Amino acid sequence: NAGVTQTPKFQVLKTGQSMTLQCAQDMNHEYMSWYRQDPGMGLRLIHYSVGAGITDQGEVPNGYNVSRSTTEDFPLRLLSAAPSQTSVYFCASSYRAGGTDTQYFGPGTRLTVL
Amino acid sequence: RKEVEQDPGPFNVPEGATVAFNCTYSNSASQSFFWYRQDCRKEPKLLMSVYSSGNEDGRFTAQLNRASQYISLLIRDSKLSDSATYLCVVRRMDSSYKLIFGSGTRLLVRP
Repeated sequence: NAGVTQTPKFQVLKTGQSMTLQCAQDMNHEYMSWYRQDPGMGLRLIHYSVGAGITDQGEVPNGYNVSRSTTEDFPLRLLSAAPSQTSVYFCASSYRAGGTDTQYFGPGTRLTVL
Repeated sequence: RKEVEQDPGPFNVPEGATVAFNCTYSNSASQSFFWYRQDCRKEPKLLMSVYSSGNEDGRFTAQLNRASQYISLLIRDSKLSDSATYLCVVRRMDSSYKLIFGSGTRLLVRP
C-alpha cells in the first residue's frame, strides 16, 4: 500500500512550457484534490474530483487542467507555465468527500518556472 | 480577510512547556475542523479532528467554540519532535466539501 504518490518530486520549467504532474493513490478513495502551497498563503485548492469522470474547480484553477479517467489517477496539467506558478504542489485523497474523513497527502512536487 | 486565520508565530518554547495555538474561521456554515501538522519540506499530515465537545489525544487537546468561531490546540509537555508547523483546517458545509487551510503556526521547541 503506497498511499498517495506524486511524480516528479522536482521540476524546472521555462515560461510557456507545458507539463503534467502525476498523482496516484491505491486506497480506492473517491475524493482527490490538488493544492498549491506558497509562503504565507496556506494551501489553496486548485481542482478536485469526487469520483472518476467528475472534476470541478477550486479556488485557483486558472492555468491548470485536470481529468479523472480512473479512480486511482488524477493528473494536473499546466497548459503554459508562468513564473506565478512556481510553488509546491500537493495531491491529496480521502475515502469520501465530506465528514471527518482523513485527507492523505502525497509528498509534493516542487516546481520552479523561470 | 482570510477565511481561516492563524498567528504565524514562530512560537519558541523550551522542552516541557505548554503551548497553545488559536485559530478563527469566518464561515459560520463550516462543517468539520482539523489540526494538521507539517514538517519542513514535507506534506501535511492529520494530527487530530476537532469535535464540539473537545477532544484529547495524549499530550494534545483540541477545542472548538462554534459561537465564537474559534478553534484551539493545546500541547502539553512539549518535545523537540513537536517542532513543526501546525495548520488549522476547516471543511465547508456545501457540495464542494472543500478544505480551507490556515497559513499555519510554526512551533520551535528548544532543548
